[in-house]
Amino acid sequence: AQSVAQPEDQVNVAEGNPLTVKCTYSVSGNPYLFWYVQYPNRGLQFLLKYITGDNLVKGSYGFEAEFNKSQTSFHLKKPSALVSDSALYFCAVRTTSGTYKYIFGTGTRLKVLA
Amino acid sequence: DTEVTQTPKHLVMGMTNKKSLKCEQHMGHRAMYWYKQKAKKPPELMFVYSYEKLSINESVPSRFSPECPNSSLLNLHLHALQPEDSALYLCASSQEGVTGNQPQHFGDGTRLSIL
Repeated sequence: AQSVAQPEDQVNVAEGNPLTVKCTYSVSGNPYLFWYVQYPNRGLQFLLKYITGDNLVKGSYGFEAEFNKSQTSFHLKKPSALVSDSALYFCAVRTTSGTYKYIFGTGTRLKVLA
Repeated sequence: DTEVTQTPKHLVMGMTNKKSLKCEQHMGHRAMYWYKQKAKKPPELMFVYSYEKLSINESVPSRFSPECPNSSLLNLHLHALQPEDSALYLCASSQEGVTGNQPQHFGDGTRLSIL
């Protein structure tokens, strides 16, 4: 079965430190990869995507993500975390072969400590 | 600011009521989606409209009935819901049809409570 894994339910990081939120996927073909963020009582906001090309993609609010095809991973990173980055982060995968599927990971709660 | 507008923001209804959720976008997007999200869980896809035609129904119970009157509007009609249907209902849109590679734009959702 096709799936997206976010192995950490919660990540804690001190303000100013680098952060990483992990995502791995098990999907056939060459899927499109996305990261979204959700603040309390809000919908999801798009951060960045990988379609093809350079393995390091840059997105909104200083976030970037590194695509690794051999490890089927797409980890979200930021060099210096802000308290305002505290939120729920979802990795998502859109299949490109077979029937359409848009699969979300289980989510990782990021807590940035002042 | 959210470019996908959902109304109402909150809805409380009894199990015998009929109500509708509304979603509107004016970005010219050609795909629109309904999701159900339980607390601290990922969104679960319910329906997808692509170019105003229902293209995906993820085996959703018939007490949920989607409607796409035009390219900017998406409704979700509710009837005889169960307490387990209480959740945040999110609408989203994307630029191309369902086969495109553009991200989805989400509304802030309708928080639905079934008594």
